[in-house]
Amino acid sequence: DGGITQSPKYLFRKEGQNVTLSCEQNLNHDAMYWYRQDPGQGLRLIYYSQIVNDFQKGDIAEGYSVSREKKESFPLTVTSAQKNPTAFYLCASKQTSWLQETQYFGPGTRLLVL
Amino acid sequence: EDKVVQSPLSLVVHEGDTVTLNCSYEVTNFRSLLWYKQEKKAPTFLFMLTSSGIEKKSGRLSSILDKKELFSILNITATQTGDSAIYLCAVGGGGADGLTFGKGTHLIIQP
Repeated sequence: DGGITQSPKYLFRKEGQNVTLSCEQNLNHDAMYWYRQDPGQGLRLIYYSQIVNDFQKGDIAEGYSVSREKKESFPLTVTSAQKNPTAFYLCASKQTSWLQETQYFGPGTRLLVL
Repeated sequence: EDKVVQSPLSLVVHEGDTVTLNCSYEVTNFRSLLWYKQEKKAPTFLFMLTSSGIEKKSGRLSSILDKKELFSILNITATQTGDSAIYLCAVGGGGADGLTFGKGTHLIIQP
């Protein structure tokens, strides 16, 4: 089946700990994105990558890091510098062709702080 | 700063009613406006609009864009309980490659 997978579904973070959220796609999409969703806030862009080995900060990149070593994979690390990490994290991907704006989303990871 | 504003933020109606959801935007270098439906997890794509005045339709859902007044509406006719969801409006444009999302409209359809 083609699509985007995220793991784990739920993740618990202890104080001072770095955690990594996985995002994999087999849609052969060039561009991948990470969003954070808080209640009543809509989705906010954390990082995005349009091509392997390149990524850009979004609106709320502080306290997060990413890598893009393979086309299929775009993991997000929530570092200890992110003071309010509790949220629903969504990964998305799309083709980078003219006027192709439609992003397809994974099922999300809910991060909770212990 | 790019901005997308949705209204109302929440709406409760009875099954069979027609609803209209609103989305206004201020985005530099506008490229497109997208509507998504989010039930429990991943938002699922509904429509992408790039041209003013051309209605997009899928079953009981339809949407139209007004690029002069900078807004879009999403209509749902003959609502069903399965239409209960958060409806997200997003705009492509501005500096970043990602989409700018509104806060969403939480729609509840009562039987």
